[in-house]
Amino acid sequence: ETGVTQTPRHLVMGMTNKKSLKCEQHLGHNAMYWYKQSAKKPLELMFVYSLEERVENNSVPSRFSPECPNSSHLFLHLHTLQPEDSALYLCASSQDRMGASYEQYFGPGTRLTVT
Amino acid sequence: AQSVAQPEDQVNVAEGNPLTVKCTYSVSGNPYLFWYVQYPNRGLQFLLKYITGDNLVKGSYGFEAEFNKSQTSFHLKKPSALVSDSALYFCAVRDLNTGFQKLVFGTGTRLLVSP
Repeated sequence: ETGVTQTPRHLVMGMTNKKSLKCEQHLGHNAMYWYKQSAKKPLELMFVYSLEERVENNSVPSRFSPECPNSSHLFLHLHTLQPEDSALYLCASSQDRMGASYEQYFGPGTRLTVT
Repeated sequence: AQSVAQPEDQVNVAEGNPLTVKCTYSVSGNPYLFWYVQYPNRGLQFLLKYITGDNLVKGSYGFEAEFNKSQTSFHLKKPSALVSDSALYFCAVRDLNTGFQKLVFGTGTRLLVSP
């Protein structure tokens, strides 16, 4: 596979469930990102990992827990979510090097519905 | 703070006509600007970026963007629109206040190309 992949593509979960979203990048990048995209709202940056270290946690509730075991994989662990957490969750990756600006490459997203 | 504005929620254009999707930016320092496109049920796809150099930037699928420093704009253009260009377009700026590749996205502009 090429680019950035995400699984599952669709997920329906109850408020008491625990589930995980998976992201994998095949581009040799060293930074990975989680975004939340809700209808009628700007894209929200949730977490950033650079060189496998978390460098940004954008005031995200603790019911979202990221994990980056290596530079190619990123997970988002979900538990006791609320209906307002229903959204498209996008993973992205990029190079990250001081003094340069790089574009991010996005996966297709996971459409999450919390019932 | 770095920000971008996309003043139009939707742009309508007939196939074969030129199209423009507007973006203005507000940054302290030199701007690093990006355009992305999102097709239904897909992640964002990188189109082009401006870092430095020529004010006219050429990108994927025949798109180009013109950087105008005096007007703080970075409008996306295409000489002849295709129905398949119908999608959601996002402008983004690199947030230079962070040490990693943080992008700040606009709210998006829906482009509708009619046959």
